[in-house]
Amino acid sequence: AQSVTQLDSQVPVFEEAPVELRCNYSSSVSVYLFWYVQYPNQGLQLLLKYLSGSTLVKGINGFEAEFNKSQTSFHLRKPSVHISDTAEYFCAVSVPFSGGYNKLIFGAGTRLAVHP
Amino acid sequence: DGGITQSPKYLFRKEGQNVTLSCEQNLNHDAMYWYRQDPGQGLRLIYYSQIVNDFQKGDIAEGYSVSREKKESFPLTVTSAQKNPTAFYLCASSPRDSMNTEAFFGQGTRLTVV
Repeated sequence: AQSVTQLDSQVPVFEEAPVELRCNYSSSVSVYLFWYVQYPNQGLQLLLKYLSGSTLVKGINGFEAEFNKSQTSFHLRKPSVHISDTAEYFCAVSVPFSGGYNKLIFGAGTRLAVHP
Repeated sequence: DGGITQSPKYLFRKEGQNVTLSCEQNLNHDAMYWYRQDPGQGLRLIYYSQIVNDFQKGDIAEGYSVSREKKESFPLTVTSAQKNPTAFYLCASSPRDSMNTEAFFGQGTRLTVV
């Protein structure tokens, strides 16, 4: 069965410091991986996605993630965070279920708290 | 602007009452989804629909019902059979081209049972 594990439920960090949010997945099929961000009381916004090709994926707001097939990981990084990056981050894997459609399986989320 | 609209943003329900959450999209997407979000548990799939007049149960469908009479609309009813309905509900949609497409999310409805 497919699953996504986000290794840290909360990550506190000071402003302008680098951050890494960790994500591991398990899947028996080829995967497509996503990171979403959620600000309080809002929906999810796509940060970046890995479909194929280069294992280093760049997204919005200066975030990037690296797909590592041997370690089944898709960690999210930012070299210098801002207060405005404070939010909850979700890693997700897209897997087929029927009729050519995808189903997203989400991790439990990592709450990033950026302090001045 | 294209997008997904969920209404209302906040909803209060008395115990024993059914309540319906609205989800409308103008993205011309075939697939639509309902997720439930609880603190520390991520998002869990309630129901999904690939096409008009067809829908399937997700991982936690008990106590919920849906309909898909129009491509643009996928309302979710939380029935009195749902034992713990207080949660944040998210609607999403995706196009039907391949399995590696992203899902687009609405802004969510926060349901509270009082």
